[in-house]
Amino acid sequence: AQSVTQPDIHITVSEGASLELRCNYSYGATPYLFWYVQSPGQGLQLLLKYFSGDTLVQGIKGFEAEFKRSQSSFNLRKPSVHWSDAAEYFCAVGLGFQKLVFGTGTRLLVSP
Amino acid sequence: DTGVSQDPRHKITKRGQNVTFRCDPISEHNRLYWYRQTLGQGPEFLTYFQNEAQLEKSRLLSDRFSAERPKGSFSTLEIQRTEQGDSAMYLCASSREAYLYNEQFFGPGTRLTVL
Repeated sequence: AQSVTQPDIHITVSEGASLELRCNYSYGATPYLFWYVQSPGQGLQLLLKYFSGDTLVQGIKGFEAEFKRSQSSFNLRKPSVHWSDAAEYFCAVGLGFQKLVFGTGTRLLVSP
Repeated sequence: DTGVSQDPRHKITKRGQNVTFRCDPISEHNRLYWYRQTLGQGPEFLTYFQNEAQLEKSRLLSDRFSAERPKGSFSTLEIQRTEQGDSAMYLCASSREAYLYNEQFFGPGTRLTVL
């Protein structure tokens, strides 16, 4: 069955430091991959997506992600974290042009 | 583009009562999705509409759950005889139809608490 694993439940990063959030997926075909961010009281916001082509994708708010087929991974990165980046981050696989399968999320805490 | 809206934002009910949630998608979007998110988990797919047709339902959607999208615009999700296990955030999303996968825009969700 298709699944998404985010192995880190919580991550704490100092403001200004770099960030990498891990995501591994299990899916037989070429996946559609997404990263969403959820802040308290807010809906899920799409950060970036990968459909095909260049395996390094750029998103909003300075985020990027790299698709590595050999590792079944789609890790999210940011070179310098801001306090406003504190939120919950979800990796997702898109199936059959319709539904999304989400990971369990990683909560990012930013320390001063 | 006014975004996806959901009403109510919060609902507290007693076990056994029926509840109904409403979702208004982005106006030109013909696809609409419902997801459920429990504490500490990612959203889980419940059901999907293309226009007024309900094309897929998850096994999570028990007989007590019913969703409609009568005119292909807004949608309602009803839960009958609520149970404490139904307590969750119910998220609605919408997207345009496209040959390739299209971005789903999410609403703020309805938080249900069943006492």
